[in-house]
Amino acid sequence: QSVLTQPPSASGTPGQMVTISCSGSSSNIGDNHVSWYQQLPGTAPRLLIYRNNQRPSGVPDRFSGSKSGTSASLAISGLRSEDETDYYCAVWDDSLSGHVVFGGGTKLTVL
Amino acid sequence: EVQLVQSGAEVKKPGESLKISCRGSGYSFAHFWIGWVRQMPGKGLEWMGIIYPADSDTRYSPSFQGQVTISVDKSVTTAYVQWSSLKASDTAIYYCARGELLDTFDMWGQGTVVTVSS
Repeated sequence: QSVLTQPPSASGTPGQMVTISCSGSSSNIGDNHVSWYQQLPGTAPRLLIYRNNQRPSGVPDRFSGSKSGTSASLAISGLRSEDETDYYCAVWDDSLSGHVVFGGGTKLTVL
Repeated sequence: EVQLVQSGAEVKKPGESLKISCRGSGYSFAHFWIGWVRQMPGKGLEWMGIIYPADSDTRYSPSFQGQVTISVDKSVTTAYVQWSSLKASDTAIYYCARGELLDTFDMWGQGTVVTVSS
């Protein structure tokens, strides 16, 4: 069981906006920056969001991130069929000498 | 082109040792963290640990401390993770990834499939 809690699944229809949540604690999200990764089937993860709300070059502005307190969210607007895949949040956790923790992942389905 | 290229798939027996690699190119290898992430079959991502090639500063996840050893050889711009005695539960895909910061990976290797079976 992960230190960060994500819903196992989420869904939306094409064109809609979907939000995926990531809930943590004061030792991780409450005190550090959150990143989000997208993993297409059979491929390595790809960085979507870093430092809570920053997009690397090449990531469409349909993807956005936010953080409030000990929770973070990834929002995907203008949903497309190719967005149907797995999404993970990640953050540094200050406990036990410090390490990164991943959320359990959310499978997004585009209906 | 910036890339991380990992070593090929491995099939091992329980109790055997293993060292897999990740070669970086196209960037200043010494000045970016290299981390390792495990993905067991059908499961999520798990952060194993990270190393800074310039000074070999290494941090481990509590879950992997003592279970694996992360190392680096700057002369060949390659990072490694090794096991001294594999278990069936080590069967997974192992990814290396690059980070300018400790907490974010902006470039990933293609993954190394490790299968441990008797």
